[in-house]
Amino acid sequence: SQQGEEDPQALSIQEGENATMNCSYKTSINNLQWYRQNSGRGLVHLILIRSNEREKHSGRLRVTLDTSKKSSSLLITASRAADTASYFCATAWYSGGGADGLTFGKGTHLIIQP
Amino acid sequence: EAQVTQNPRYLITVTGKKLTVTCSQNMNHEYMSWYRQDPGLGLRQIYYSMNVEVTDKGDVPEGYKVSRKEKRNFPLILESPSPNQTSLYFCASSSTGGGYTFGSGTRLTVV
Repeated sequence: SQQGEEDPQALSIQEGENATMNCSYKTSINNLQWYRQNSGRGLVHLILIRSNEREKHSGRLRVTLDTSKKSSSLLITASRAADTASYFCATAWYSGGGADGLTFGKGTHLIIQP
Repeated sequence: EAQVTQNPRYLITVTGKKLTVTCSQNMNHEYMSWYRQDPGLGLRQIYYSMNVEVTDKGDVPEGYKVSRKEKRNFPLILESPSPNQTSLYFCASSSTGGGYTFGSGTRLTVV
């Protein structure tokens, strides 16, 4: 079942601006991860935030997590043309036996206009 | 280089002809998964494995089989492919509690 829902579905901004994408999910999680996918290629792991963390940074990326609202946001600062891609949030839950894999949202398609 | 290798990248086959998509990782990861990606439906998990000889169904397992006889390999088997299995398939692996490394994908067309 689809766990995460990204918002917006598509986003077009000018190069240099900041891009913010949101993700909501439905059930308990162990961690939440963000991935980037360029046009039908493989997904690239960007950042992982654990359920007991509220904010995390990696380069131009900032992720927040609000477990009370079951939501996360990904902020890309000073966007570049190379950031044009689809971005997915994915939630991970670990049952008694171990990881149950990732459950993905449908993604946000980000277009950076030069 | 740490990677997940899938083969083949592209495959066109006929209905009912058994096929196997191979997946291999060189990172000694415990967890491996298969996903399919379809327009409008996003990525959905087919099967996952927590370690050798331990596999379990994901959200869309019907029509697929997997095996995990060695830690590095996790092949996806379609015993009798049908056109509704035309999709883009991804294999991924992860260490405990970590992010996943994805393969480059296999674009399968069943005619």
